[in-house]
Amino acid sequence: DTGVSQNPRHKITKRGQNVTFRCDPISEHNRLYWYRQTLGQGPEFLTYFQNEAQLEKSRLLSDRFSAERPKGSFSTLEIQRTEQGDSAMYLCASSLVAVYQETQYFGPGTRLLVL
Amino acid sequence: TQLLEQSPQFLSIQEGENLTVYCNSSSVFSSLQWYRQEPGEGPVLLVTVVTGGEVKKLKRLTFQFGDARKDSSLHITAAQPGDTGLYLCAGGEGGSEKLVFGKGTKLTVNP
Repeated sequence: DTGVSQNPRHKITKRGQNVTFRCDPISEHNRLYWYRQTLGQGPEFLTYFQNEAQLEKSRLLSDRFSAERPKGSFSTLEIQRTEQGDSAMYLCASSLVAVYQETQYFGPGTRLLVL
Repeated sequence: TQLLEQSPQFLSIQEGENLTVYCNSSSVFSSLQWYRQEPGEGPVLLVTVVTGGEVKKLKRLTFQFGDARKDSSLHITAAQPGDTGLYLCAGGEGGSEKLVFGKGTKLTVNP
């Protein structure tokens, strides 16, 4: 059984550079979520997809951030013109939406450090 | 905005002791999930509770969802060093979407 995978696991970049992260959800899961976690905090919701449609975006997701899920399978999260405040762990989760209960399963995360 | 408050924020105990951590909110959640997270890794789901008053047991871990579905507790019996980690509670609104997380309880079990 393959869980949620994320690549890369770690990324160090200089301020102003663009970065892209990839998430591969559990097979057949139709929902995919992105969260961001900073030190000492719980994960905070960024955005989610149902199949290929992006259904909700947090106010945390500035216009420098863009996420896609072109074929309803893997997803990418791109950050343009990175800032030091973007340094965080970026977590992806997937779920199979059900009538009554939905459980999100998380990947190992991508840790971003912006210098 | 729904908020989840977790307490205590930090807990350091000796192997074999019992402990309880709490997750409280002024809002009602349709479900509440507990995760454990180790440094540099993503959260791993421990349990989901959906019914007010529900109690679930997972080996030495006991989870309870409050009757009003606004709070939850996690009790660990005879803690072991392998229980060390960040325990996160997360609430979901009916039928969908984003989880709202607490800040977590960082548990250290010393041998």
